[in-house]
Amino acid sequence: KNQVEQSPQSLIILEGKNCTLQCNYTVSPFSNLRWYKQDTGRGPVSLTIMTFSENTKSNGRYTATLDADTKQSSLHITASQLSDSASYICVVSAPKADSWGKLQFGAGTQVVVTP
Amino acid sequence: DTEVTQTPKHLVMGMTNKKSLKCEQHMGHRAMYWYKQKAKKPPELMFVYSYEKLSINESVPSRFSPECPNSSLLNLHLHALQPEDSALYLCASSQGGHPILNTEAFFGQGTRLTVV
Repeated sequence: KNQVEQSPQSLIILEGKNCTLQCNYTVSPFSNLRWYKQDTGRGPVSLTIMTFSENTKSNGRYTATLDADTKQSSLHITASQLSDSASYICVVSAPKADSWGKLQFGAGTQVVVTP
Repeated sequence: DTEVTQTPKHLVMGMTNKKSLKCEQHMGHRAMYWYKQKAKKPPELMFVYSYEKLSINESVPSRFSPECPNSSLLNLHLHALQPEDSALYLCASSQGGHPILNTEAFFGQGTRLTVV
């Protein structure tokens, strides 16, 4: 079972509207949580990275929140633009004493912004 | 410079060919990674290099052979691939040796590989 679950799987929104993407994780212990934006056929680009002690972090029109107690995170996109159409991936980093602490990837939420 | 550069962007190869994917970064990062990503799926870790030494091999078939000639370069040598190996191959790098640190992981734009 994937330790990082994202919802919804896909989302269509009108240009200018806001939307919120969800990420639930069971990774424990937990080091940090990252949100990436990935355009089709391109590499992921980092939006935010938060440690367990951070509740919110913003990057322009993107705002991520984190509740380490409930193991939930959200990514809010404000005033969406056509260029926001992409897959948004939640990635959780888990420390391990004997290895590298793999990055656990969610399956992503595919966002389509329409005119 | 926060770029990870991958070449080529696209590659079509036959099952008997030998080809190489290249990755380069000049951020002074000491950890570099290869990921494989199938359509609509998350990236899957293949290899991790730390300080130019192979640290993790995620049970990848031997037809994929990584190489790290120096701290800025990472190659992935391909030989006798199968059609199911067609995917987007992503290179990434991070500062220091451990992605568990709260440092950023930078991804390249990927090489779209098609095996025919």
